[in-house]
Amino acid sequence: KQEVTQIPAALSVPEGENLVLNCSFTDSAIYNLQWFRQDPGKGLTSLLLIQSSQREQTSGRLNASLDKSSGRSTLYIAASQPGDSATYLCAVSDAGKSTFGDGTTLTVKP
Amino acid sequence: GAVVSQHPSWVICKSGTSVKIECRSLDFQATTMFWYRQFPKQSLMLMATSNEGSKATYEQGVEKDKFLINHASLTLSTLTVTSAHPEDSSFYICSASNPGHNYEQYFGPGTRLTVT
Repeated sequence: KQEVTQIPAALSVPEGENLVLNCSFTDSAIYNLQWFRQDPGKGLTSLLLIQSSQREQTSGRLNASLDKSSGRSTLYIAASQPGDSATYLCAVSDAGKSTFGDGTTLTVKP
Repeated sequence: GAVVSQHPSWVICKSGTSVKIECRSLDFQATTMFWYRQFPKQSLMLMATSNEGSKATYEQGVEKDKFLINHASLTLSTLTVTSAHPEDSSFYICSASNPGHNYEQYFGPGTRLTVT
């Protein structure tokens, strides 16, 4: 059974800092990995999708990497802003069904 | 990107009543949709896989007679919470997998159910 772990559970940083969120998974037989953002009481916003054959994806200030063999992914956020404050979820998929980590709650202080 | 809608976005119902939640993929055909539940301050847990034209596949511990799933068309799946109780209060989120786009999952905005 796939298990997804996210570290740290919570993170508080001053505005402008670069930061890294970590995600690990136990079964490397994945189809893709997605990073999502969730604001309190809201649904999910997809940030980045990495196919199993890819090593990284970039979108603006976000960069996600994937090392499938070691079961790890990182989400790098550059020059953090207060608007980045949210919970970030990592999900691995086997061509449809996703298993989610518990998320990292990020607070960026002005 | 692809859009998945859910209706209603929130609902309050009395204990013992049934509530139906709709999930629609608006711009692609989804043979498979997924229903997740999220309790406060917890992550999403898969409840069931909804298969168009066939029975849903439920995860272990999810009561199929309580959470009825119907996937009657390639763009619509419904989740009916039958005889709802306060412990069913949760955030229900559906997703649709797009095989034409690397099986990327597109999530609906979620439905907040409160059972009083």
